Amino acid sequence: GENVEQHPSTLSVQEGDSAVIKCTYSDSASNYFPWYKQELGKRPQLIIDIRSNVGEKKDQRIAVTLNKTAKHFSLHITETQPEDSAVYFCAAKWSGTSYGKLTFGQGTILTVHP
Amino acid sequence: EAQVTQNPRYLITVTGKKLTVTCSQNMNHEYMSWYRQDPGLGLRQIYYSMNVEVTDKGDVPEGYKVSRKEKRNFPLILESPSPNQTSLYFCASSYVAPGLTGELFFGEGSRLTVL
Repeated sequence: GENVEQHPSTLSVQEGDSAVIKCTYSDSASNYFPWYKQELGKRPQLIIDIRSNVGEKKDQRIAVTLNKTAKHFSLHITETQPEDSAVYFCAAKWSGTSYGKLTFGQGTILTVHP
Repeated sequence: EAQVTQNPRYLITVTGKKLTVTCSQNMNHEYMSWYRQDPGLGLRQIYYSMNVEVTDKGDVPEGYKVSRKEKRNFPLILESPSPNQTSLYFCASSYVAPGLTGELFFGEGSRLTVL
């Protein structure tokens, strides 16, 4: 099966700074890597995702990079704002026989100080 | 309005008393899944279903059962709850398995406490 490690567990930045969250995965057959944002007391929501045939994807202030050789992927948030404060989860989908398994990382609590 | 609805949202129960957490989606999604969220452990997948009558274990299936008799419903059953099943539970659905198309939509969560 898949194992996903996420770091750091907490991240504190000043408004306007960049934030980077990294995840490593164990199974080289994983082929889909989404990132979810969970605001306090709310449900997780997809913010960006990347497939294994792409190295980088951007959407306004957020970007995700994938290094298949090293088996890690990262979320980059530029020009952070207080509303970016939330818990962020990475995930990896295994392409093996259990096609529907989606394994999440442990989460990163991001705090953006005004 | 497209949504994933879970019930109950909050429940306090006692060890051994069978309970069911219902999940219903109105988006005609084929894929549905249950997760539990615990501090420091992230979201862990309990069970998932690729379609009606097709279910499979996630990473932490012990102590749980599911069924998928209809496309819209995917109940989570705790036959004999124990305190270590105290957690925040999320149901989620997507058009097909995650990664093929679209995103995973989560319900609002069900906070379960087992005494």
